[in-house]
This record gives sequence, C-alpha cells and structure tokens, in this order.
Amino acid sequence: NAGVMQNPRHLVRRRGQEARLRCSPMKGHSHVYWYRQLPEEGLKFMVYLQKENIIDESGMPKERFSAEFPKEGPSILRIQQVVRGDSAAYFCASSPSQASYEQYFGPGTRLTVT
Amino acid sequence: AQSVTQPDIHITVSEGASLELRCNYSYGATPYLFWYVQSPGQGLQLLLKYFSGDTLVQGIKGFEAEFKRSQSSFNLRKPSVHWSDAAEYFCAVAGITNFGNEKLTFGTGTRLTIIP
Repeated sequence: NAGVMQNPRHLVRRRGQEARLRCSPMKGHSHVYWYRQLPEEGLKFMVYLQKENIIDESGMPKERFSAEFPKEGPSILRIQQVVRGDSAAYFCASSPSQASYEQYFGPGTRLTVT
Repeated sequence: AQSVTQPDIHITVSEGASLELRCNYSYGATPYLFWYVQSPGQGLQLLLKYFSGDTLVQGIKGFEAEFKRSQSSFNLRKPSVHWSDAAEYFCAVAGITNFGNEKLTFGTGTRLTIIP
C-alpha cells in the first residue's frame, strides 16, 4: 500500500509565476490536509478537503492560494503570482475519515521562489 | 485556541545517553497529543500518540512519552539514543474545528544532534 505521494519534490519558480503542488492520498483515503512549513518553524495548517469539497480553509492566505481535490486525480495546491515569502515546504496528509486522528504525511514539496 | 510550545530549539546528546524532549500544550478539553520525527529532507513520521488511558505511551524506535495533565506536558524520552535518531522532532496537539475535522497544531520543533 503506497503512502502519500507528493510531486514535485522540489520546485523552483521565479517571482510572479504560478506553482502547482500535487498530492495523491493513500489508497482508500478521501480526506486531505495541506500544511506549510516555513524555515525554522513548525507546520501550520492551511486547508482540509474531502473529494470535491473544501471543508476548512481557515489557514489559507486570502489571496493567491487555492486548493482543490477533484473526484478523479490528486489534490492540487495552487499558488498564483508567487513571492519570495512563499518559499517553504508544503506537506500533504491524508486520513481515512473525518476526525479520525490518523494523518499520514507525504514527503513534502520544497518550493523555492527566486 | 490550542497551542504547543517546545522550549528547546536544539539539543545535543552523546550516543548512548538518555534523551528527554520537552513539550507543553494549551488546550481547553482533553488533548489528543502526538510526537512526529522529521529526518532531513523527509516528511513526518508518527512516533507515538496519546488519546486517553495510560499516561505513559510507547512508540516506535524505542521512544516513549508521558502525559502530565497537571503540568500540561507531554515530554518525549528515550533511554539510550542512537546516531540515527538525529532529526527534528515535533510535538502536536489535535482539536476538532467547527467544521468537524481535526486540525493538528504543531510546536516549532526541537533539532536533535547526536555526537559520538
């Protein structure tokens, strides 16, 4: 049973470009969480999604950031017009159900904005 | 609001020595507590978790943690560290949001260095 997959593992973007980060949850999991880890900090919750629904986006910046989890395919975290402050590691976690207290983390995508 | 404090940013321990990493939490109800380990360039691996019951919980790789409600603490311990334990360790608390999902709140982490 493959774990949570994230790609790309490393992404370099120039200021103003768009970044798309993908997350494939564990088989059988339909709940996805995105976290951001800024340098020298812990992980901060961004958004929680179920298939085709955004449930909790209380941690998402109000502008430039969006997330989706379509019926088919991976969850996508999209950052438009990236700025240097977006440089961070973005982690995805999946769980088998809501409030299961079992979150399995992917290896993360390290975004560098030049 | 829930929060987690890890007061030690960096700890250095000799191989074979004992280890204790501190974690203090703030949460209104009975907390669900976790310890994760992150090796360089890797994702997070769950070491152990506490939901209820016995306050001393055993995890993987020989780690254990003790929940102390009176001190709002959940310290991680290992009796004898190995060089492979060098990593970043994160304590986290989980709460239920108004939307019904759990949300993990992480501490800032403790970087563990092992010296020969």
